[in-house]
Amino acid sequence: QTVVTQEPSFSVSPGGTVTLTCGLSSGSVSTSFYPSWYRQTPGQAPLTLIYNTNTRSSGVPDRFSGSILGNKAALTITGAQADDESDYYCVLHMDSGISVFGGGTKLTVL
Amino acid sequence: QVRLVQSGAEVKKPGTSVTVSCKASGYTFTSYYMHWVRQAPGQGLEWMGIINPSSGGTTYAQQFQGRVTLTRDTSTNTVYMDLTSLRSEDTAVYYCARDYGDFWYFDRWGRGTLVTVSS
Repeated sequence: QTVVTQEPSFSVSPGGTVTLTCGLSSGSVSTSFYPSWYRQTPGQAPLTLIYNTNTRSSGVPDRFSGSILGNKAALTITGAQADDESDYYCVLHMDSGISVFGGGTKLTVL
Repeated sequence: QVRLVQSGAEVKKPGTSVTVSCKASGYTFTSYYMHWVRQAPGQGLEWMGIINPSSGGTTYAQQFQGRVTLTRDTSTNTVYMDLTSLRSEDTAVYYCARDYGDFWYFDRWGRGTLVTVSS
């Protein structure tokens, strides 16, 4: 069974830069997995940030960027703000037609 | 504007079934696939399956095979998620989420439906 891996937690200082990653338990992530990223605050539906590896969803500030770093997909937040404190999830689309979520990263800004 | 309106919260007993609906508006219903995603309390998001509203074709996550069925009604622009043999671990918020199309991502989300399984 495919497992998508994310850091369980991460911390960043206000104004700082943080890179969250999204990997596979076996193999490398490439653009052919169409990596996408979502943020979620408690009690709310997820919000789409990035799709197709590096395309920002409408209205998402350019402080958020996506890429492939080594063998993983990555979400970089520059100039972190207090309200960036959220849970961040990546999703990979598999050849079999299924999508798989990573376990999520809880980002703390302090 | 695109709207996905889900049915209300449900309380079910173990062993029974639940149906959650997701009514779409503001776009051509048959032109966009629909996913279902769930989130147990305090846990992460979990992909359940996808339906093509045009053909009715479905793909399910392995862990839900045999227990989940996605259907659609093109006359009412509604997608349904049926989950059978409910157990306490199925207590979760269930979301429908539209697939944008070319890039296999969720561009619009419903607000979620809480399903509580309790004896």
